[in-house]
Amino acid sequence: DGGITQSPKYLFRKEGQNVTLSCEQNLNHDAMYWYRQDPGQGLRLIYYSQIVNDFQKGDIAEGYSVSREKKESFPLTVTSAQKNPTAFYLCASWDRYNEQFFGPGTRLTVL
Amino acid sequence: GENVEQHPSTLSVQEGDSAVIKCTYSDSASNYFPWYKQELGKRPQLIIDIRSNVGEKKDQRIAVTLNKTAKHFSLHITETQPEDSAVYFCAASDGFQKLVFGTGTRLLVSP
Repeated sequence: DGGITQSPKYLFRKEGQNVTLSCEQNLNHDAMYWYRQDPGQGLRLIYYSQIVNDFQKGDIAEGYSVSREKKESFPLTVTSAQKNPTAFYLCASWDRYNEQFFGPGTRLTVL
Repeated sequence: GENVEQHPSTLSVQEGDSAVIKCTYSDSASNYFPWYKQELGKRPQLIIDIRSNVGEKKDQRIAVTLNKTAKHFSLHITETQPEDSAVYFCAASDGFQKLVFGTGTRLLVSP
């Protein structure tokens, strides 16, 4: 599973709690992405970052926040404003000239 | 922005048959079209991709065709095997920002 790592693999959140999902890559890719996948659904883009200290909202950014302080790291925070956060979260990185690589994912469940 | 439609949503074939999945895209500026395979609970993995300067690409039992005029591309799997059973996603990109994914096709190959 080298290349992109995500932690934790499983995460449980209580109502009103913020949680942070970790994503780290050692591929030296400039761009990193966060996707949300619901059961039987496709991949929806939450946030993406093409360079350190810069990021853009994707299609479903409400209730989420990110930071990109280092090239290798792109953590995602699921805030209490996200009312239905139970889903499979996938991080990815891309160097534009090759394929977009995905991490192994974090499965978030609201208790 | 780009919109990608994928059909069918489910596809059942007998082992040894061929399977075809079709996608259409809306943005004529898109020039990169990857296909990902996702097994249950796992990350999506690239199986083949094509760029807009190529009409067809093959890799053993898998091929992708691209019709830029009609803005559609297709995945062809020949001599299907039970291990081909998975969800397949197409995607499109203008090459410098982000991928837009189709909604996925669940392929079931029966022995």
